[in-house]
Amino acid sequence: QQPVQSPQAVILREGEDAVINCSSSKALYSVHWYRQKHGEAPVFLMILLKGGEQKGHEKISASFNEKKQQSSLYLTASQLSYSGTYFCGTGGATNKLIFGTGTLLAVQP
Amino acid sequence: NAGVTQTPKFRVLKTGQSMTLLCAQDMNHEYMYWYRQDPGMGLRLIHYSVGEGTTAKGEVPDGYNVSRLKKQNFLLGLESAAPSQTSVYFCASNSIRLLSSYEQYFGPGTRLTVT
Repeated sequence: QQPVQSPQAVILREGEDAVINCSSSKALYSVHWYRQKHGEAPVFLMILLKGGEQKGHEKISASFNEKKQQSSLYLTASQLSYSGTYFCGTGGATNKLIFGTGTLLAVQP
Repeated sequence: NAGVTQTPKFRVLKTGQSMTLLCAQDMNHEYMYWYRQDPGMGLRLIHYSVGEGTTAKGEVPDGYNVSRLKKQNFLLGLESAAPSQTSVYFCASNSIRLLSSYEQYFGPGTRLTVT
């Protein structure tokens, strides 16, 4: 079963913040976040492993609540370059990922 | 390093024709994957491989076959193409040597249209 992402789409102005959520009905060992620009391949952003550690990468960070089987991606002070579709991928005991249906993020000037 | 490469980049097939998509990686990765991406569906795993000579089914394996005869190559075959297989196909790979190395590296994709 695919994890559920919300919202499906979000439009921001430059400098605004956004949160993208990923929720699974299964127990999780890891959550991956990827960003895909139109016509390109997905690009890795970060992995969160079981343990609830929050990770960060410049102005993009994420949290993982394994009890709730949820992860959230936080984008602060968004830039035009943040536009794209964001996917979470949830991992179980194997390294097989199940990806969500994506969240389309559009950052406008 | 070229990373993950896919051939061909584009292909148009008629219903019933067969074809093979090739994925190659030069990072000595153990795991390789084939995904398909359709509008509104995200990335769905077709088949994957945990090492040379081994393959396993993913979420949507019907109508596809795969082979991993060499560690660096992962082939995806369509024996009798159907319009429902029109999609963008991505190959990915990753290493399991380090726990922190679970990120998947994606190829550029193959856009396949079946008429």
